[in-house]
Amino acid sequence: DVVMTQSPLSLPVTLGQPASISCRSSQSLVHSDGNTYLNWFQQRPGQSPRRLIYKVSNRDSGVPDRFSGSGSATDFTLEISRVEAEDLGVYYCMQGTHWPLTFGQGTKLEIK
Amino acid sequence: EVQLLESGGGLVQPGGSLRLSCAASGFTFSSSSMNWVRQAPGKGLEWVSFISSSSTTIYYADSVKGRFTISRDNAKNSLYLQMNSLRAEDTAMYYCARTRNFDYWGQGTLLTVSS
Repeated sequence: DVVMTQSPLSLPVTLGQPASISCRSSQSLVHSDGNTYLNWFQQRPGQSPRRLIYKVSNRDSGVPDRFSGSGSATDFTLEISRVEAEDLGVYYCMQGTHWPLTFGQGTKLEIK
Repeated sequence: EVQLLESGGGLVQPGGSLRLSCAASGFTFSSSSMNWVRQAPGKGLEWVSFISSSSTTIYYADSVKGRFTISRDNAKNSLYLQMNSLRAEDTAMYYCARTRNFDYWGQGTLLTVSS
């Protein structure tokens, strides 16, 4: 199985400051079709997960442009340019390239 | 608007069975693959099962293989998860999610396995 490793697992941030979450996979996420199926999800307290980013760097509809994704092969990053209070929650990376589909452990974004 | 509405959760004794349902609306269900994903209390997300749009391709996580069965009824725009031989470690919120890359999620239904 592909192991997804996120860091840090806890991220205290000051409002208005940037934040960055790393996600590494135990093998390349480049699919035979040429796409890299690495997705990012946000889960606010008491809510269902919501997809933010798909295929490494594509923002979903309605996602603020302060969220961006980057990376390739086995090394990926989610960045928030200026953290707002509504960004509080847990962030997960997830790979959709190999079966079984697997998630990272989650990174808890906390406001300082 | 895409909507996914899970139902069927509840309290079940170890060794028991339960069937979860997910009612879909706002998109062409028969053209979309679907998944079940679960989250144990206070824990992270775990993919459980996948079914293709025509039910020809099905996958399970090793943790549920042989005990859970995913199915769908495209005429009813519904997804199901039949869960047998339930264990305490199956206690979780169960979400249905659309497509292999989980673009939409339901609000979840809670399964508790306890005596």
